[in-house]
Amino acid sequence: QKEVEQDPGPLSVPEGAIVSLNCTYSNSAFQYFMWYRQYSRKGPELLMYTYSSGNKEDGRFTAQVDKSSKYISLFIRDSQPSDSATYLCAMTFTGGGNKLTFGTGTQLKVEL
Amino acid sequence: GAVVSQHPSRVICKSGTSVKIECRSLDFQATTMFWYRQFPKQSLMLMATSNEGSKATYEQGVEKDKFLINHASLTLSTLTVTSAHPEDSSFYICSAPHPTVFEQYFGPGTRLTVT
Repeated sequence: QKEVEQDPGPLSVPEGAIVSLNCTYSNSAFQYFMWYRQYSRKGPELLMYTYSSGNKEDGRFTAQVDKSSKYISLFIRDSQPSDSATYLCAMTFTGGGNKLTFGTGTQLKVEL
Repeated sequence: GAVVSQHPSRVICKSGTSVKIECRSLDFQATTMFWYRQFPKQSLMLMATSNEGSKATYEQGVEKDKFLINHASLTLSTLTVTSAHPEDSSFYICSAPHPTVFEQYFGPGTRLTVT
């Protein structure tokens, strides 16, 4: 079993839809949770990070963490074609040497 | 936000030659940098941790003699792929954790093609 599981997709939605992206993890030591967006042939770009259970909102993006269920989500409201990319969840813990453990990434396509 | 650069962005080399990829943190000092490789439609695979002033730490299964890492300064790490073979063709990405803000910044990646 992988430490971090993420549905690879592809996920295709119409413009304006709400998108839900999810990851589950098995290592209860993980404390910090991040979502990265990666466009084709580019490096990942940090979208959001959280370190506690609950919700964190930034514009159209909401990150949700449920440590009791070992489950994190990223919601994208009013999705746009420019949101089409691969979304990677990543996580780490204090004392982990800043090493990130990534999910496999979910490929998202927002269609006009 | 903080910027991490990589050079070159693309490189094509012949089998048996060596290729050097540079990773620079442009506006902060990084005592640690990470090197990843990514195959098409797959996630990032951590290859090694580059440590300024000491030897790199390699992940299991990564050949340290093939992938030479040198952390020359607090803003520069280099990855040299020695005696490259076609199976080394991949997308190589570096990252650097910010020293004060809990964020890790990624470079734009280097696409290596070995012919």
